[in-house]
Amino acid sequence: RKEVEQDPGPFNVPEGATVAFNCTYSNSASQSFFWYRQDCRKEPKLLMSVYSSGNEDGRFTAQLNRASQYISLLIRDSKLSDSATYLCVVSMNTGFQKLVFGTGTRLLVSP
Amino acid sequence: GAVVSQHPSRVICKSGTSVKIECRSLDFQATTMFWYRQFPKQSLMLMATSNEGSKATYEQGVEKDKFLINHASLTLSTLTVTSAHPEDSSFYICSAEGGRSYNEQFFGPGTRLTVL
Repeated sequence: RKEVEQDPGPFNVPEGATVAFNCTYSNSASQSFFWYRQDCRKEPKLLMSVYSSGNEDGRFTAQLNRASQYISLLIRDSKLSDSATYLCVVSMNTGFQKLVFGTGTRLLVSP
Repeated sequence: GAVVSQHPSRVICKSGTSVKIECRSLDFQATTMFWYRQFPKQSLMLMATSNEGSKATYEQGVEKDKFLINHASLTLSTLTVTSAHPEDSSFYICSAEGGRSYNEQFFGPGTRLTVL
């Protein structure tokens, strides 16, 4: 079983749509949680950290459910520029912060 | 701030040759640097972690004699792929941790390696 599981997609949505991605992780000792964005052939970029209380950054809302080991990302009012692969990432502190990446969910926003 | 560079961005080499990739933190001192590999349609996989002046810690299944890591200073780490083979063709990405954002990793732009 993969440590971090995501639906690979692609999710094809029109501009303005709301889209939600989910992710599950297997290691209950995971301490920190993130969503990264990766454009084709580029490095991943931190989109936002995820907290149990939920957090929002503009059109993006992330939520963590530790009991279910489940992380979500909601994107409202999708823009063409949101087209990318969204990576669910968990970390454990093993003396350093070890990041474990999911394979990503691909989003395609069309006009 | 928190910029990480990688060089080269792309390299094509013949099977059997060695390739060196540099990772630099440009505006902060990196206490720890990480090397990842990403095959097409797969997730980033941590290969090894290095701290300045000490030996790298390799993840299970990563050959330390094939992937040589040198972390000579707080701003530079190098990954050398020795005797490269076509199956080593991948996207290699480094990240660095340090500076003001303690525990946040800043990623380099990646190096695409193609071994013929």
